[in-house]
Amino acid sequence: EAQVTQNPRYLITVTGKKLTVTCSQNMNHEYMSWYRQDPGLGLRQIYYSMNVEVTDKGDVPEGYKVSRKEKRNFPLILESPSPNQTSLYFCASSLPAGQGIHEQYFGPGTRLTVT
Amino acid sequence: GNSVTQMEGPVTLSEEAFLTINCTYTATGYPSLFWYVQYPGEGLQLLLKATKADDKGSNKGFEATYRKETTSFHLEKGSVQVSDSAVYFCALNSGYSTLTFGKGTMLLVSP
Repeated sequence: EAQVTQNPRYLITVTGKKLTVTCSQNMNHEYMSWYRQDPGLGLRQIYYSMNVEVTDKGDVPEGYKVSRKEKRNFPLILESPSPNQTSLYFCASSLPAGQGIHEQYFGPGTRLTVT
Repeated sequence: GNSVTQMEGPVTLSEEAFLTINCTYTATGYPSLFWYVQYPGEGLQLLLKATKADDKGSNKGFEATYRKETTSFHLEKGSVQVSDSAVYFCALNSGYSTLTFGKGTMLLVSP
């Protein structure tokens, strides 16, 4: 089954404790992206990756890091989480726009609480 | 830059009522337009899309027409069901893979 998986689905942590949210897709997609969803703000893009070893900032990259060492995985790293990073996070993937306009496939979300 | 504006919710309807959720956009070039739906506790999934002016996207009884002259992509359904209760997001893609989303509109359908 074609899917995007994220782990963990729920995480409660404390300020300053480094964490990683994993994202993996099995569709051989070049493009991957991370979003955060907050009430009243919709979805905002954190980082995206056009291909392996190619990453770029989205609209709200501060406090986050990403890496793309292999095509299927795109982990999101919070090196020193703060309470304002409490949010619902989504990973998404798609074929690149150069091959036509393709839908993005979303993971189930990771609900992060930073106390 | 690109932006998407959609009506604020929640939209509250009775079952079998007609649904319209307004969406307007600002973009350079000729974007593709999408509606995504998020059911409670789940990720987003594509509902429908349109890639050029006057295209009509449709799926599961929902429709939206790409109107370039009014820069709009309003979502409609003739008869909603309780199972349609969800958050609906309008989005655009201007050719670089990145999606620009509206803030979402919650739809609540009562029996």
